[in-house]
Amino acid sequence: AQKITQTQPGMFVQEKEAVTLDCTYDTSDPSYGLFWYKQPSSGEMIFLIYQGSYDQQNATEGRYSLNFQKARKSANLVISASQLGDSAMYFCAMREGLSGTSYGKLTFGQGTILTVHP
Amino acid sequence: NAGVTQTPKFQVLKTGQSMTLQCAQDMNHEYMSWYRQDPGMGLRLIHYSVGAGITDQGEVPNGYNVSRSTTEDFPLRLLSAAPSQTSVYFCASSQLLTGSEAFFGQGTRLTVV
Repeated sequence: AQKITQTQPGMFVQEKEAVTLDCTYDTSDPSYGLFWYKQPSSGEMIFLIYQGSYDQQNATEGRYSLNFQKARKSANLVISASQLGDSAMYFCAMREGLSGTSYGKLTFGQGTILTVHP
Repeated sequence: NAGVTQTPKFQVLKTGQSMTLQCAQDMNHEYMSWYRQDPGMGLRLIHYSVGAGITDQGEVPNGYNVSRSTTEDFPLRLLSAAPSQTSVYFCASSQLLTGSEAFFGQGTRLTVV
């Protein structure tokens, strides 16, 4: 079974508009962390935002926010006021806790390609 | 500020050849891992390690070997390269905490002909 699912292979957004990138996850571990990474065309992996399973509030980092719905096991990334430089591949990832059989393993989704139009 | 150093950046191999991708980190991270990135498949975990002397298989381990003799180094060995191993490979390291982000190497673009 997929641990991390990103159902949107590609997304388009107009510059200055907001966009939501979907991510659902599957784990039975009560302790886990969720991450979003950006991969521009140059190939490097850039960390954007983190949400812990016990965090009560949704994480925010500048124009990035994470819409964390624990009961639905979703961790969607919201980018506000999109910029041309936001065009990239975006990956959702999950690190499970040390108590489970996955022992801290970090797994990634398949990614979503975001294209920002001027 | 070296972070995660991954070499080489590019490599072309002939089918059946072996090679080692090097990965070193200077942040004293317990967790290190190797991923391969293929179009439409995202990042798939090959092998990972939670400390020196401890390694485990990820999602796609076949055809690859790893070892972790020190905290700093986590080399990935291709035993007998196959065209199906043509991919971009990333090494990553992090602390062994649920909230610890992974730091990535620059990637290795491997082509097997």
